[in-house]
Amino acid sequence: AQTVTQSQPEMSVQEAETVTLSCTYDTSESDYYLFWYKQPPSRQMILVIRQEAYKQQNATENRFSVNFQKAAKSFSLKISDSQLGDAAMYFCAYRSLRFYTGTASKLTFGTGTRLQVTL
Amino acid sequence: DTGVSQNPRHKITKRGQNVTFRCDPISEHNRLYWYRQTLGQGPEFLTYFQNEAQLEKSRLLSDRFSAERPKGSFSTLEIQRTEQGDSAMYLCASSPQGWQPQHFGDGTRLSIL
Repeated sequence: AQTVTQSQPEMSVQEAETVTLSCTYDTSESDYYLFWYKQPPSRQMILVIRQEAYKQQNATENRFSVNFQKAAKSFSLKISDSQLGDAAMYFCAYRSLRFYTGTASKLTFGTGTRLQVTL
Repeated sequence: DTGVSQNPRHKITKRGQNVTFRCDPISEHNRLYWYRQTLGQGPEFLTYFQNEAQLEKSRLLSDRFSAERPKGSFSTLEIQRTEQGDSAMYLCASSPQGWQPQHFGDGTRLSIL
């Protein structure tokens, strides 16, 4: 079974600064997806960025980028030019790419990192 | 695209009562998922539907839990004889066929008195 670990329960960053959230995972599979989801207080979870394991190039979405280290099973999220609206819980998630019916679809989440953005 | 809709947003009930939650996925998304999120934890997978077929259930889904998706559109999650440990946020997500990411609803927060 796959596991996802987020070792930083809380992080704080000043507005306009850069912050990196850590995520490690454990799997015996070679093909999978990794995701970062954002969950603002009392609001729905939204996808921030995703990475296909077979791609060596790190994914980037505007101010959000990842550092994917497949051998180390590490998947960190970097937020540049932090904004007040970035304050939220951030979850790292894993999804298998195996073609077993159903098994390939579910997400396995870490415990989350609460990001505070200060003025 | 009106998003994934979940009702009710909040349910308060006494221990031992039955509760039912509803999820309306994004139209034409044939995959639907239920997750449970307890305080301070990430969501945990409960069950998964492809169209009307329930293809996977987690061991977390005890006999008191049942989920349906009768016509491959909306889904219901029922908990019978609720217990204190059932208090959580129940999240629904949907996705189209293929490797597209899941879209989540706002969740239903269940509080057991």
